[in-house]
Amino acid sequence: DIVMTQSPDSLAVSLGERATINCKSSQSVFFSTNNTTQLAWYQQKPGQPPKLLIYRASSRKFGVPDRFSGSGSGTDFTLTISSLQAEDVAVYYCQQYYTTPLTFGGGTKVEIK
Amino acid sequence: QVQLQQSGPGLVKPSQTLSLTCVISGDSVSRNSGAWNWIRQSPSRGLEWLGRTYYRSKWYNDYAVSMKSRITISPDTSKNQFSLQLNSVSPEDTAVYYCAEGWSHEFWGQGTLVTVSS
Repeated sequence: DIVMTQSPDSLAVSLGERATINCKSSQSVFFSTNNTTQLAWYQQKPGQPPKLLIYRASSRKFGVPDRFSGSGSGTDFTLTISSLQAEDVAVYYCQQYYTTPLTFGGGTKVEIK
Repeated sequence: QVQLQQSGPGLVKPSQTLSLTCVISGDSVSRNSGAWNWIRQSPSRGLEWLGRTYYRSKWYNDYAVSMKSRITISPDTSKNQFSLQLNSVSPEDTAVYYCAEGWSHEFWGQGTLVTVSS
C-alpha cells in the first residue's frame, strides 16, 4: 500500500497569513500513461463529507477559491492557503488515487491563531 | 450536478451484515469512465477506502485487501445505484460510511454513521 504522511498534524495561522500543509507518499504517484500526478487534496468540516479542492496535484476544482493551491511532484506535495480566511478552519487531507487501495493522509487541522 | 443519496441502517449487531445503498442522480452507474466507491471514517482509522465498482464493457470491482473476505460492492443499473455489504461486522467496523464517485472524489454522499453494537 502507498502510505501518505502529512505534516504537521495541526497548524494555527493568523487571519490573512499563509498556511502550508505537506504530504509525502511512500512511492511515486505519477501516472506516465497520461502524464498526470494522481494526488488530491480535500477539506473537511465537522459533520460534512470531505470536499475536493485540488486534483492532479495542482488543478483546482472549479469554484474553489484561488487562495488554495497545490504543488509538488513525485512523492512530495504541498497544499498552500495563501491568505487564511475564517471559513478555511477545517481538517485537510491528501489522497493518492494512483493505485488501489486508494489511501489518505492522516489529516492536518487548521485553526486560527 | 451529481448527487449521491445514501440509505441504510445506523445500527448493526455484531456478526451481522452491514448493508448500505447509494442512489445516483445526475450521472449513470454504468458510465464507461465512472467509478463508484465506498469510504469510511473513524477516529481510530481515519479515512479508509473500502472498494469500488466500475463498468468498462463489463463490471469490475476493486477491494481493500483487509476487507476482501467480507465485502461486496454491487451496482444496480435498473435503479442507478450501488450498494455495500460488509459481512461479519464487529465493533471495529463502527464508522461514518460514505459513497463517493470517481478516481478523485468530487461528489460524496452525505455519510451514514453505522454503529456496531448489540
